[in-house]
Amino acid sequence: AQSVTQLGSHVSVSEGALVLLRCNYSSSVPPYLFWYVQYPNQGLQLLLKYTSAATLVKGINGFEAEFKKSETSFHLTKPSAHMSDAAEYFCAVSDRGAGGTSYGKLTFGQGTILTVHP
Amino acid sequence: DVKVTQSSRYLVKRTGEKVFLECVQDMDHENMFWYRQDPGLGLRLIYFSYDVKMKEKGDIPEGYSVSREKKERFSLILESASTNQTSMYLCASMGWNEQYFGPGTRLTVT
Repeated sequence: AQSVTQLGSHVSVSEGALVLLRCNYSSSVPPYLFWYVQYPNQGLQLLLKYTSAATLVKGINGFEAEFKKSETSFHLTKPSAHMSDAAEYFCAVSDRGAGGTSYGKLTFGQGTILTVHP
Repeated sequence: DVKVTQSSRYLVKRTGEKVFLECVQDMDHENMFWYRQDPGLGLRLIYFSYDVKMKEKGDIPEGYSVSREKKERFSLILESASTNQTSMYLCASMGWNEQYFGPGTRLTVT
Protein backbone atom coordinates (compact mmCIF):
# COMPACT_ATOMS: atom_id res chain seq x y z
CA ALA A 1 0.00 0.00 0.00
CA GLN A 2 1.17 3.50 -0.76
CA SER A 3 0.39 6.84 0.80
CA VAL A 4 1.52 10.43 0.52
CA THR A 5 1.38 13.20 3.09
CA GLN A 6 1.87 16.82 2.18
CA LEU A 7 2.61 18.95 5.20
CA GLY A 8 0.68 22.19 5.03
CA SER A 9 -2.42 22.65 2.92
CA HIS A 10 -1.50 26.33 2.39
CA VAL A 11 1.93 27.90 2.07
CA SER A 12 2.47 31.62 1.64
CA VAL A 13 5.75 33.23 0.57
CA SER A 14 6.94 36.60 -0.64
CA GLU A 15 8.12 37.08 -4.19
CA GLY A 16 11.83 36.25 -4.34
CA ALA A 17 11.74 34.05 -1.23
CA LEU A 18 12.54 30.36 -1.04
CA VAL A 19 9.71 27.97 -1.79
CA LEU A 20 9.64 24.71 0.18
CA LEU A 21 6.74 22.29 -0.17
CA ARG A 22 6.98 19.15 1.92
CA CYS A 23 6.08 15.63 0.88
CA ASN A 24 6.52 12.36 2.75
CA TYR A 25 5.58 9.02 1.29
CA SER A 26 5.03 5.45 2.32
CA SER A 27 5.58 2.62 -0.12
CA SER A 28 6.19 -1.10 0.15
CA VAL A 29 8.12 -1.14 -3.13
CA PRO A 30 10.82 1.15 -4.56
CA PRO A 31 8.81 4.24 -5.37
CA TYR A 32 8.58 6.47 -8.35
CA LEU A 33 7.73 9.98 -7.14
CA PHE A 34 6.20 12.95 -8.88
CA TRP A 35 5.30 16.58 -8.35
CA TYR A 36 2.44 18.04 -10.36
CA VAL A 37 1.19 21.62 -10.53
CA GLN A 38 -2.37 22.73 -11.19
CA TYR A 39 -3.22 26.27 -12.22
CA PRO A 40 -6.81 27.46 -11.73
CA ASN A 41 -9.33 25.71 -13.96
CA GLN A 42 -6.68 23.54 -15.59
CA GLY A 43 -5.53 19.95 -15.47
CA LEU A 44 -2.33 18.75 -13.85
CA GLN A 45 1.06 19.45 -15.35
CA LEU A 46 4.15 17.45 -14.47
CA LEU A 47 6.85 19.49 -12.73
CA LEU A 48 9.38 16.72 -12.17
CA LYS A 49 9.74 13.02 -11.45
CA TYR A 50 12.06 10.64 -9.65
CA THR A 51 12.40 7.20 -11.24
CA SER A 52 15.38 5.72 -9.36
CA ALA A 53 18.15 7.58 -11.18
CA ALA A 54 19.70 10.72 -9.64
CA THR A 55 18.27 11.59 -6.23
CA LEU A 56 18.27 15.33 -6.96
CA VAL A 57 15.78 15.95 -9.71
CA LYS A 58 15.44 19.18 -11.64
CA GLY A 59 12.14 20.13 -13.20
CA ILE A 60 10.50 22.89 -15.13
CA ASN A 61 10.19 26.52 -14.02
CA GLY A 62 13.25 26.33 -11.73
CA PHE A 63 11.83 23.71 -9.36
CA GLU A 64 13.80 20.79 -7.99
CA ALA A 65 13.23 17.98 -5.49
CA GLU A 66 15.49 15.61 -3.60
CA PHE A 67 14.64 11.99 -2.92
CA LYS A 68 15.74 11.01 0.58
CA LYS A 69 15.10 7.35 1.21
CA SER A 70 16.13 7.46 4.89
CA GLU A 71 13.58 10.20 5.55
CA THR A 72 10.97 8.89 3.06
CA SER A 73 10.73 12.44 1.75
CA PHE A 74 10.56 14.17 -1.61
CA HIS A 75 10.36 17.89 -0.82
CA LEU A 76 9.94 20.43 -3.60
CA THR A 77 12.02 23.62 -3.61
CA LYS A 78 12.59 26.71 -5.68
CA PRO A 79 15.22 29.29 -4.66
CA SER A 80 13.22 32.37 -5.62
CA ALA A 81 9.42 32.49 -5.87
CA HIS A 82 7.70 34.26 -8.73
CA MET A 83 4.12 35.49 -8.82
CA SER A 84 3.41 33.01 -11.60
CA ASP A 85 4.22 30.12 -9.22
CA ALA A 86 0.93 30.63 -7.39
CA ALA A 87 -0.97 27.38 -7.90
CA GLU A 88 -1.82 24.10 -6.20
CA TYR A 89 0.91 21.49 -6.00
CA PHE A 90 0.47 17.76 -5.68
CA CYS A 91 2.98 15.12 -4.68
CA ALA A 92 2.30 11.59 -5.91
CA VAL A 93 3.81 8.13 -5.59
CA SER A 94 3.56 5.41 -8.20
CA ASP A 95 3.76 1.66 -7.96
CA ARG A 96 5.68 1.63 -11.20
CA GLY A 97 8.94 1.07 -9.37
CA ALA A 98 7.75 -2.45 -8.68
CA GLY A 99 8.16 -3.37 -12.33
CA GLY A 100 6.41 -6.51 -13.47
CA THR A 101 2.67 -6.08 -13.73
CA SER A 102 2.58 -2.61 -12.21
CA TYR A 103 0.16 -0.32 -13.98
CA GLY A 104 1.69 2.91 -12.78
CA LYS A 105 -1.22 3.88 -10.58
CA LEU A 106 -0.66 7.15 -8.75
CA THR A 107 -1.51 7.87 -5.13
CA PHE A 108 -1.73 11.61 -4.49
CA GLY A 109 -1.23 13.79 -1.47
CA GLN A 110 -3.90 16.24 -0.40
CA GLY A 111 -2.35 19.15 -2.24
CA THR A 112 -0.65 22.38 -1.13
CA ILE A 113 -1.89 25.75 -2.30
CA LEU A 114 1.02 28.14 -2.81
CA THR A 115 0.34 31.85 -2.52
CA VAL A 116 3.00 34.37 -3.57
CA HIS A 117 2.82 37.91 -2.20
CA PRO A 118 4.39 40.89 -3.95
CA ASP B 1 2.99 16.71 -27.54
CA VAL B 2 0.63 14.31 -25.82
CA LYS B 3 -2.94 15.48 -25.91
CA VAL B 4 -5.67 14.28 -23.57
CA THR B 5 -9.08 15.80 -24.17
CA GLN B 6 -12.26 15.59 -22.15
CA SER B 7 -15.67 16.05 -23.70
CA SER B 8 -16.91 18.84 -21.43
CA ARG B 9 -15.30 21.41 -19.13
CA TYR B 10 -18.49 22.05 -17.20
CA LEU B 11 -21.55 19.85 -16.80
CA VAL B 12 -24.74 20.22 -14.79
CA LYS B 13 -26.97 17.19 -14.29
CA ARG B 14 -29.96 16.27 -12.18
CA THR B 15 -30.05 13.61 -9.49
CA GLY B 16 -30.79 10.20 -10.98
CA GLU B 17 -29.59 11.02 -14.50
CA LYS B 18 -27.13 8.78 -16.30
CA VAL B 19 -23.95 10.73 -17.01
CA PHE B 20 -21.19 9.99 -19.50
CA LEU B 21 -17.76 11.62 -19.26
CA GLU B 22 -15.55 11.02 -22.27
CA CYS B 23 -11.77 11.07 -22.49
CA VAL B 24 -9.64 10.74 -25.61
CA GLN B 25 -5.85 10.50 -25.93
CA ASP B 26 -3.81 10.71 -29.10
CA MET B 27 -0.60 8.88 -28.12
CA ASP B 28 -1.62 5.23 -28.41
CA HIS B 29 -1.14 4.75 -24.67
CA GLU B 30 -2.33 1.49 -23.16
CA ASN B 31 -3.06 2.69 -19.63
CA MET B 32 -5.76 5.25 -18.89
CA PHE B 33 -7.15 6.50 -15.59
CA TRP B 34 -10.11 8.36 -14.11
CA TYR B 35 -9.71 10.42 -10.93
CA ARG B 36 -11.97 12.69 -8.97
CA GLN B 37 -10.57 15.75 -7.25
CA ASP B 38 -12.08 17.26 -4.12
CA PRO B 39 -10.68 20.09 -1.95
CA GLY B 40 -8.47 18.78 0.82
CA LEU B 41 -8.57 15.22 -0.51
CA GLY B 42 -6.30 15.51 -3.53
CA LEU B 43 -7.01 13.18 -6.43
CA ARG B 44 -8.50 9.76 -5.86
CA LEU B 45 -8.48 6.95 -8.40
CA ILE B 46 -11.90 5.75 -9.52
CA TYR B 47 -11.04 3.23 -12.27
CA PHE B 48 -8.23 2.50 -14.65
CA SER B 49 -7.82 0.51 -17.84
CA TYR B 50 -4.70 -1.23 -19.12
CA ASP B 51 -6.05 -2.35 -22.49
CA VAL B 52 -9.16 -2.28 -24.63
CA LYS B 53 -12.09 -3.81 -22.74
CA MET B 54 -9.86 -4.32 -19.66
CA LYS B 55 -10.56 -2.38 -16.48
CA GLU B 56 -9.70 -2.41 -12.81
CA LYS B 57 -11.31 -0.73 -9.83
CA GLY B 58 -9.41 2.03 -8.13
CA ASP B 59 -9.88 3.29 -4.61
CA ILE B 60 -13.40 4.73 -4.92
CA PRO B 61 -15.31 2.85 -7.66
CA GLU B 62 -18.73 2.82 -5.97
CA GLY B 63 -21.38 4.53 -8.07
CA TYR B 64 -19.22 4.54 -11.21
CA SER B 65 -18.52 2.28 -14.15
CA VAL B 66 -16.23 2.62 -17.16
CA SER B 67 -16.03 1.60 -20.78
CA ARG B 68 -13.06 1.21 -23.10
CA GLU B 69 -14.12 -0.01 -26.53
CA LYS B 70 -11.24 1.66 -28.38
CA LYS B 71 -7.69 2.22 -27.25
CA GLU B 72 -7.86 6.00 -27.49
CA ARG B 73 -11.15 6.46 -25.63
CA PHE B 74 -11.99 5.84 -21.99
CA SER B 75 -15.44 6.71 -20.67
CA LEU B 76 -16.61 7.20 -17.11
CA ILE B 77 -20.28 6.47 -16.44
CA LEU B 78 -22.39 7.58 -13.51
CA GLU B 79 -25.34 5.19 -13.69
CA SER B 80 -27.56 7.32 -11.45
CA ALA B 81 -25.97 10.62 -10.52
CA SER B 82 -26.15 11.74 -6.91
CA THR B 83 -25.28 15.05 -5.28
CA ASN B 84 -22.23 13.52 -3.59
CA GLN B 85 -20.75 12.96 -7.03
CA THR B 86 -20.45 16.70 -7.58
CA SER B 87 -16.74 17.06 -8.17
CA MET B 88 -13.93 17.71 -10.63
CA TYR B 89 -13.16 14.66 -12.78
CA LEU B 90 -9.75 14.24 -14.36
CA CYS B 91 -8.71 11.73 -16.98
CA ALA B 92 -5.10 10.70 -17.59
CA SER B 93 -3.20 8.48 -19.96
CA MET B 94 0.16 6.97 -19.23
CA GLY B 95 3.27 7.14 -21.32
CA TRP B 96 6.70 6.06 -20.17
CA ASN B 97 6.56 6.40 -16.38
CA GLU B 98 4.43 9.52 -16.60
CA GLN B 99 0.73 10.33 -16.58
CA TYR B 100 -0.66 13.05 -18.84
CA PHE B 101 -3.82 14.76 -17.69
CA GLY B 102 -6.78 16.25 -19.45
CA PRO B 103 -8.20 19.66 -18.46
CA GLY B 104 -10.90 18.17 -16.25
CA THR B 105 -14.69 18.20 -16.18
CA ARG B 106 -16.39 20.05 -13.36
CA LEU B 107 -19.62 18.15 -12.75
CA THR B 108 -22.44 19.57 -10.66
CA VAL B 109 -25.33 17.29 -9.70
CA THR B 110 -28.42 19.14 -8.46
